[in-house]
Amino acid sequence: GAVVSQHPSRVICKSGTSVKIECRSLDFQATTMFWYRQFPKQSLMLMATSNEGSKATYEQGVEKDKFLINHASLTLSTLTVTSAHPEDSSFYICSASGTGNTIYFGEGSWLTVV
Amino acid sequence: GENVEQHPSTLSVQEGDSAVIKCTYSDSASNYFPWYKQELGKRPQLIIDIRSNVGEKKDQRIAVTLNKTAKHFSLHITETQPEDSAVYFCAASITNTDKLIFGTGTRLQVFP
Repeated sequence: GAVVSQHPSRVICKSGTSVKIECRSLDFQATTMFWYRQFPKQSLMLMATSNEGSKATYEQGVEKDKFLINHASLTLSTLTVTSAHPEDSSFYICSASGTGNTIYFGEGSWLTVV
Repeated sequence: GENVEQHPSTLSVQEGDSAVIKCTYSDSASNYFPWYKQELGKRPQLIIDIRSNVGEKKDQRIAVTLNKTAKHFSLHITETQPEDSAVYFCAASITNTDKLIFGTGTRLQVFP
């Protein structure tokens, strides 16, 4: 079945630095991908819709200059957390629609900012 | 925009009993309502979904009901087992390929 892969699964970075998370659709093309953030013991909150070849659509309250999204190909979307702060520490997870019009989630990426 | 509320936030049941989780949504344009089970630190796993043209759907011990007029849908798990223990999320979407708006989650504990 369709698979969505995220990398890295875990990352630790220092405050003030930037970190990139990749989301790949392995056996299908995804013109649209979605990025979610999940704080411990909370729900998945939609951050943005990643559109191949065009600008991402951000949800209200999500800073587009802090969370840079690039969807340069039909199989890859990247989320870059810029100038990371400890409060950005969270579980970030992407999703994409694959064959059979089914939503597939990546494995998620744990970000810890120290 | 869409807003999804979910109740209860925690639910404890005895093995073999039934569990019911309820969600309400606000956007009448939503037509797709999936339910996910999530283990700690892992991706959500789709357990059942329902579309707005259907009022009820069942898959073995799991069933989902939808009342589109009242804008609420429910997850029913019968004959619960300890391995059913997890966090469950409802979600709503315009289509089954669109962005998902998740409920707040329910932590289900099934005691042997």
